[in-house]
Amino acid sequence: AQSVTQLGSHVSVSEGALVLLRCNYSSSVPPYLFWYVQYPNQGLQLLLKYTSAATLVKGINGFEAEFKKSETSFHLTKPSAHMSDAAEYFCAVSDEAGGTSYGKLTFGQGTILTVHP
Amino acid sequence: ETGVTQSPTHLIKTRGQQVTLRCSSQSGHNTVSWYQQALGQGPQFIFQYYREEENGRGNFPPRFSGLQFPNYSSELNVNALELDDSALYLCASSLGLANEQFFGPGTRLTVL
Repeated sequence: AQSVTQLGSHVSVSEGALVLLRCNYSSSVPPYLFWYVQYPNQGLQLLLKYTSAATLVKGINGFEAEFKKSETSFHLTKPSAHMSDAAEYFCAVSDEAGGTSYGKLTFGQGTILTVHP
Repeated sequence: ETGVTQSPTHLIKTRGQQVTLRCSSQSGHNTVSWYQQALGQGPQFIFQYYREEENGRGNFPPRFSGLQFPNYSSELNVNALELDDSALYLCASSLGLANEQFFGPGTRLTVL
């Protein structure tokens, strides 16, 4: 079974600072990987996805993530944090063999991002 | 274009009762997935429906059951509620199995 580990349940940065949220996955086959954001009392919104094309993936709101097979990582970054980035972020892997479906996602535990003025 | 909607928003039940949660998929989407998100946890996959047929199930007991209707809306039924069933239940729809899922706002279920 595939799994996802997010290092750090809470990350705090200053406005304008670099955001780095860590995600490591385990998978026996090339996976599909995703980052979602969840604002309080809302559902999940897709930030970006890796589907075995370019290893550096750009998403919405200035976020990007790099797939590193050798490190089994898919860390999320943003060069300059905004107050509006404060939310909970989830890394997820497709739970289909060969990653042929965006459904049946396995999520990490989540990382709460706090942005200080 | 209407997004994924879920009803009710909040629900309070007592142990042993039964509950039905509803999800209306985004227009044109024929695939619905359900997830349970306990407090402080990531969502966990319950099951998925594709064109009215169950297309996979996570590690949940049989008292969690579902249904998808011809208009692709869906229901999640939970029998014999337990305290640990208290969670946010998320529904996500997509056009087919290999496309992006769009999530609804969720139903917050509290079991007392």
